[in-house]
Amino acid sequence: DTAVSQTPKYLVTQMGNDKSIKCEQNLGHDTMYWYKQDSKKFLKIMFSYNNKELIINETVPNRFSPKSPDKAHLNLHINSLELGDSAVYFCASSQQQGAGGTIYFGEGSWLTVV
Amino acid sequence: LAKTTQPISMDSYEGQEVNITCSHNNIATNDYITWYQQFPSQGPRFIIQGYKTKVTNEVASLFIPADRKSSTLSLPRVSLSDTAVYYCLVDFSGYSTLTFGKGTMLLVSP
Repeated sequence: DTAVSQTPKYLVTQMGNDKSIKCEQNLGHDTMYWYKQDSKKFLKIMFSYNNKELIINETVPNRFSPKSPDKAHLNLHINSLELGDSAVYFCASSQQQGAGGTIYFGEGSWLTVV
Repeated sequence: LAKTTQPISMDSYEGQEVNITCSHNNIATNDYITWYQQFPSQGPRFIIQGYKTKVTNEVASLFIPADRKSSTLSLPRVSLSDTAVYYCLVDFSGYSTLTFGKGTMLLVSP
């Protein structure tokens, strides 16, 4: 059973479209994250939710909107996609944020905007 | 903004011990140090975590000096399958510092 699963794994879409990436964790964790890994391999946090509440919202365009219907799910919706949005998006979860919480990552969603 | 610094890349041969050092000068009292491994086309996965001195598990050892401003991940007798990117993550106080940085690309050759 996959601990953190995200879909789709690959997504190719045109500029200006709206797309969503779904994420689910079956670890019973309270905290979930979205990370972005660009072509330079930096792995940057975008959002963090704790028990469905937004905790971290890094400097991310407001075209990106996370939604957490329950603490096991954190979906990422992206409006008006741009070429620069092409990257790998990782969903992750941890039992706690901070103080040594181990982060468990999904397999990633490869987004290509053409 | 607090950050970590690691070498961009390292090369090794099978059977050798590899030590990767991470600098984290602004580490705070409550912060832990965690190392992750990432293979191509996969998400990072946890290797080891420590707070001070030395921690060892079945995969690696983590050495942390008394001032905790750096840490060294030690991989004993690496194999080809250890070729990956290794990230040092310091759980800095303050939520905005969960960025992994570029990591260290370790290439193990036969």
